[in-house]
Amino acid sequence: EIVLTQSPGTLSLSPGERATLSCRASQSVSSYLAWYQQKPGQAPRLLIYDASNRATGIPARFSGSGSGTDFTLTISSLEPEDFAVYYCQQHSDWPPITFGQGTRLEIK
Amino acid sequence: EVQLLESGGGLVQPGGSLRLSCVASGVNFATYRMTWVRQAPGKGLEWVSLIGSGGTATYSADSLKGRFTISRDNSKNTLYLQMNSLRGEDTAIYYCAKELVSAPGTFDYWGQGTLVTVSS
Repeated sequence: EIVLTQSPGTLSLSPGERATLSCRASQSVSSYLAWYQQKPGQAPRLLIYDASNRATGIPARFSGSGSGTDFTLTISSLEPEDFAVYYCQQHSDWPPITFGQGTRLEIK
Repeated sequence: EVQLLESGGGLVQPGGSLRLSCVASGVNFATYRMTWVRQAPGKGLEWVSLIGSGGTATYSADSLKGRFTISRDNSKNTLYLQMNSLRGEDTAIYYCAKELVSAPGTFDYWGQGTLVTVSS
């Protein structure tokens, strides 16, 4: 089973700042990594798939990069609605499909 | 507009059974693989099971040890999750989600979830 480790656990930033979230895989997942956003009381929302492809309707301030074992989700300039929990998920070697434990992005 | 609507959650005693349903609309349901993902209160996301478009191929988390069974009825645009021998650790919100065809194993539409509580 591929284990995904996200860091930091919590990130405190202000609107307008740049956010950098990391996800590290226990073994290579090539580029088969996705990112999801989840707000309280809501279902997850797909942001990025295949490491760097934005899903339909996702603003350009969200970008993904990386390959192999190290990945990054970058939000170039935080909007108030971006404060949420972010999960990475690998779709390389499954079952099982696995998720990271999440990074909470909170307002500073 | 794609919509997924789960139902069937509720309070069940340990050892009991429950069947969840997920009705899809606005999508050609029969052409997509579907999955169930759960989230325990205050915890992260945990993949449960996935089913092929035709219903023949199924995959599940080993941790479920055969207690859960995924199925679908394409004539009813409905996905199911039969849950048996329920335990306290199965308490969670259960989401159904549709696979993104261009990126197998990722999920682009999710339902709002249905809460399952296992408690005596």
